[in-house]
Amino acid sequence: DTGVSQNPRHKITKRGQNVTFRCDPISEHNRLYWYRQTLGQGPEFLTYFQNEAQLEKSRLLSDRFSAERPKGSFSTLEIQRTEQGDSAMYLCASRPGQGRRNTGELFFGEGSRLTVL
Amino acid sequence: AQKVTQAQTEISVVEKEDVTLDCVYETRDTTYYLFWYKQPPSGELVFLIRRNSFDEQNEISGRYSWNFQKSTSSFNFTITASQVVDSAVYFCALRETSGSRLTFGEGTQLTVNP
Repeated sequence: DTGVSQNPRHKITKRGQNVTFRCDPISEHNRLYWYRQTLGQGPEFLTYFQNEAQLEKSRLLSDRFSAERPKGSFSTLEIQRTEQGDSAMYLCASRPGQGRRNTGELFFGEGSRLTVL
Repeated sequence: AQKVTQAQTEISVVEKEDVTLDCVYETRDTTYYLFWYKQPPSGELVFLIRRNSFDEQNEISGRYSWNFQKSTSSFNFTITASQVVDSAVYFCALRETSGSRLTFGEGTQLTVNP
C-alpha cells in the first residue's frame, strides 16, 4: 500500500505527558499537512510543509505543539504536556507539488486518535 | 479569510431517495478550488471532486452530481438514488490559490436507511 501512513493509530495518555505522532506521506509528494479533527467537526488546519520547510502554522498550534519534517520525507507532530482538550484525531495529508499529477487534492491518512485522560 | 458553511448537520433519507448536500463558501480570492470529501465510519477522508473557480460547468459522475454557482457562492452535491453505502459524513472544502491550506466545513452526516 502506497498511501499516507500514520502511527500510532491510537494513543491513550495521561494529562501532562508528551506524545509524538508520525506520518509517512506518499513518496513523491513534497507537500505535507497536519490537521486536527474533533468529534462532530471538520478537520482544522494545523501546519504545512513543503519539503523540509514548515511554511505555515495555524494559530491553533500552541507552543506545546511542534512539527518537523527532516529531510523532507516523514513528519512528526509532538504535543508536550498534553491537556484533555488535546483529545482529537490528528490527520496527516500529502499532495504533489506543481506538475501534471497535481490535481490539488489532499491524500489523507487514517489518522492518529489521541485520548488524554 | 476563507470560510465554508455546511448548514445541514444531519440528513436522513430512505434508500433510493435523492439527496442534496449544501455548501456555501466565502473567499476574497478571485481564483480558488472547491472540494468534496467523504468520511465513512472507518474515518479516512476520501476525495470525491475538485472544481476550479473559473469552471462553472456542472459535473456528473455516476450517481453523484455537483452544482457550482459562483453567483451564490455555493457548491452543492447531489446523490441520486441513494444507497446504504452512501452513509457517511461529507465535507465541503475550499483552497485559495494564494494559499496552501484546505479549509473544511463542519460536515453533513448522511444516513441512508434501508
